[in-house]
Amino acid sequence: DGGITQSPKYLFRKEGQNVTLSCEQNLNHDAMYWYRQDPGQGLRLIYYSQIVNDFQKGDIAEGYSVSREKKESFPLTVTSAQKNPTAFYLCASKAPTGTGPQYFGPGTRLTVT
Amino acid sequence: QQQVKQSPQSLIVQKGGISIINCAYENTAFDYFPWYQQFPGKGPALLIAIRPDVSEKKEGRFTISFNKSAKQFSLHIMDSQPGDSATYFCAASRDHDYKLSFGAGTTVTVRA
Repeated sequence: DGGITQSPKYLFRKEGQNVTLSCEQNLNHDAMYWYRQDPGQGLRLIYYSQIVNDFQKGDIAEGYSVSREKKESFPLTVTSAQKNPTAFYLCASKAPTGTGPQYFGPGTRLTVT
Repeated sequence: QQQVKQSPQSLIVQKGGISIINCAYENTAFDYFPWYQQFPGKGPALLIAIRPDVSEKKEGRFTISFNKSAKQFSLHIMDSQPGDSATYFCAASRDHDYKLSFGAGTTVTVRA
């Protein structure tokens, strides 16, 4: 059963703590992405990775970090430096050939208090 | 700046009516235009996509119209149903670019 999994679905943290969101895909896609979505807002790109061991900052990378040690996995760490971390986080992946759609995971809702 | 402008921000339509969402872009290098549907608390799902060599694409009750000269494309939802109530995002990308530029989204509410 191919797809993108994100865990956990809901995550609660205290302010000042780092937290890591998981994203795994078994679609054999090279490219993976992290987006942030705030209530009633569109999608803002945090980081993306085209291949293993390589990643680029998106539009709102400050306060976030990523790693891409395996093709299947692209974890996102929300650091204590992120001023407004409470949001809905979406992971996506894309097949390598030319233009085409990104496929999204189910999302993780992070609440920091 | 936002490369894809989407309107309206929200719309309400009666069951059986037509929902129309419009998007405009500036970058003439864009050559792939997908639409995503997102239900509350879920990830966006690819709905339908078009490339600029066709002016219209239909899948069931969903139709994309594309006007290359005007740099505009739109989504029409025919015979709208309450189950179509969701947020719709248009997007665009250019050949071999790994990034998609998203519109801000349109929340569609279909009244029974």
